[in-house]
Amino acid sequence: ILNVEQSPQSLHVQEGDSTNFTCSFPSSNFYALHWYRWETAKSPEALFVMTLNGDEKKKGRISATLNTKEGYSYLYIKGSQPEDSATYLCAFENYGGSQGNLIFGKGTKLSVKP
Amino acid sequence: DTGVSQDPRHKITKRGQNVTFRCDPISEHNRLYWYRQTLGQGPEFLTYFQNEAQLEKSRLLSDRFSAERPKGSFSTLEIQRTEQGDSAMYLCASSSTETNQPQHFGDGTRLSIL
Repeated sequence: ILNVEQSPQSLHVQEGDSTNFTCSFPSSNFYALHWYRWETAKSPEALFVMTLNGDEKKKGRISATLNTKEGYSYLYIKGSQPEDSATYLCAFENYGGSQGNLIFGKGTKLSVKP
Repeated sequence: DTGVSQDPRHKITKRGQNVTFRCDPISEHNRLYWYRQTLGQGPEFLTYFQNEAQLEKSRLLSDRFSAERPKGSFSTLEIQRTEQGDSAMYLCASSSTETNQPQHFGDGTRLSIL
């Protein structure tokens, strides 16, 4: 059974704080690692698709790194804003497995207080 | 680009009834996915289409569940003889066939079984 773990489960920060979360995934048969942001009452929004070991991607104040050999990815948010409040999901896509069958973690719920 | 749309947004029904949900993917996307998310969990893969062909079904998809994509455009997911455990958010996503592309999600259909 392929398992994707995210930590912490939830996080409360003040506006302006920088924060990061972890996604752990199987290190074998890696194909891609996806990050999504899911705000309440909206659809999950794709942030990054990461494929290469050592990849680092950035979108505004949000960035992510990838280590496929040890099976983890970090998501960083610099200078958190209240609008960053959401659940952040990572999803593992394995090579040779089901095409596009994403295996999601349970998410990290971020709350940013003004 | 109107995004992925799902209908209805909410469905409340009595145990034992049949329900059907609809998903309209992004028009140029060949691939369409169904996921289910229950409280405290990440989305779980149910099934996947490429054009009109259903290429994979999860073991989560019991005989009471059936999905179709008759013309390779919109898709329907039907649940027969609903049970309490079917209460969940049902998410649809679509993607192109290009490699390393994200899946784009709809807002989901929240099903509540009384």
